[in-house]
Amino acid sequence: DAGITQSPRYKITETGRQVTLMCHQTWSHSYMFWYRQDLGHGLRLIYYSAAADITDKGEVPDGYVVSRSKTENFPLTLESATRSQTSVYFCASSEGSRLETQYFGPGTRLLVL
Amino acid sequence: DQQVKQNSPSLSVQEGRISILNCDYTNSMFDYFLWYKKYPAEGPTFLISISSIKDKNEDGRFTVFLNKSAKHLSLHIVPSQPGDSAVYFCAAWKGAQKLVFGQGTRLTINP
Repeated sequence: DAGITQSPRYKITETGRQVTLMCHQTWSHSYMFWYRQDLGHGLRLIYYSAAADITDKGEVPDGYVVSRSKTENFPLTLESATRSQTSVYFCASSEGSRLETQYFGPGTRLLVL
Repeated sequence: DQQVKQNSPSLSVQEGRISILNCDYTNSMFDYFLWYKKYPAEGPTFLISISSIKDKNEDGRFTVFLNKSAKHLSLHIVPSQPGDSAVYFCAAWKGAQKLVFGQGTRLTINP
């Protein structure tokens, strides 16, 4: 299917565990982003990537790791999950000519116990 | 430091009437402003945007107004329909590939 997908859609894990959230897009957009949505904060940028092998920190990067070996994939890893990382995570992508217009995936709801 | 603020967490409007959602910002360097709409269990979808060099942009039932002197923008939906019930996020483009989002306003359209 064309578009941007995320997996899993729901995840429950325990404190200290490693978790990887997957994001895949079929548009060949150069830019990809990870956000977290928390009540009272809207969406906050965690990391973004301008192209394969190029990543940079956003507003709230601590505790997260990203990689981008292929243009279409942008996984987000929580190396040692904490309860404060319980959130809804959204992946997004945009093309170079319209960077301000980002297209979002359906989200992953993560619960850290 | 909340650079983009939506001070109304929720708004209830009767079907057919005008819905007005408001957003304030603090950084005068923002280049673009956008509105996203979000349904439950879905990602936000782009609705409409406005460049900082304009004061109005219209797309069908949706119009965004920008008042740079007041650092304020608003989204008008006329007429409001039941399918417009969603959470609306205001966002500002900061350059360097970064969007800054407001907290969101939940709009409910009543029949």
